[in-house]
Amino acid sequence: GAVVSQHPSWVICKSGTSVKIECRSLDFQATTMFWYRQFPKQSLMLMATSNEGSKATYEQGVEKDKFLINHASLTLSTLTVTSAHPEDSSFYICSGVRGQGALNYGYTFGSGTRLTVV
Amino acid sequence: QKEVEQDPGPLSVPEGAIVSLNCTYSNSAFQYFMWYRQYSRKGPELLMYTYSSGNKEDGRFTAQVDKSSKYISLFIRDSQPSDSATYLCAMGVQGAQKLVFGQGTRLTINP
Repeated sequence: GAVVSQHPSWVICKSGTSVKIECRSLDFQATTMFWYRQFPKQSLMLMATSNEGSKATYEQGVEKDKFLINHASLTLSTLTVTSAHPEDSSFYICSGVRGQGALNYGYTFGSGTRLTVV
Repeated sequence: QKEVEQDPGPLSVPEGAIVSLNCTYSNSAFQYFMWYRQYSRKGPELLMYTYSSGNKEDGRFTAQVDKSSKYISLFIRDSQPSDSATYLCAMGVQGAQKLVFGQGTRLTINP
């Protein structure tokens, strides 16, 4: 089945530094990648949608300058949390979809990245 | 009103019980219905997928969609402790790639 590899699985960083999270689709081409944030015991909150080769579309309330998304190829998308602060500590998950028939296959999620900013 | 409503639980049942998880929705345009299972500190994994109305069975899992009532269900038979997880329902509209997720129900199966 389709696999999305997400790294790192967890990261601790100091306040003010930047952290990059990578998601790679291993056996399919992810034309679209969704990035989510999840707080403990809560559902997924969509942050942004990225399509290969174009700028990401951010959901209302998400700072595009803080959460930089790059989707340079059909198999790689990255989320960079810039100038991280403790309130950015959360679980970040990516999800790749294939083409226009994406809903026929559902989403393929990465395993998530737990970010702790100290 | 949220587009998709799901009771967050928590729901705790004994091993071997039949579990019923449900979601209601308000958007009649939804045609794709999915259930995801998420273990603690892991990404969600697709469990069941249904297009339009009807039932779908896969092993111990059965997904039901009732579009007239805007209500979907996931049944788990002979529940096992390994089924303990958060279950998220998700729905989509034809032609759109975004899925709308429910809040997720935390389920615990007690040995």
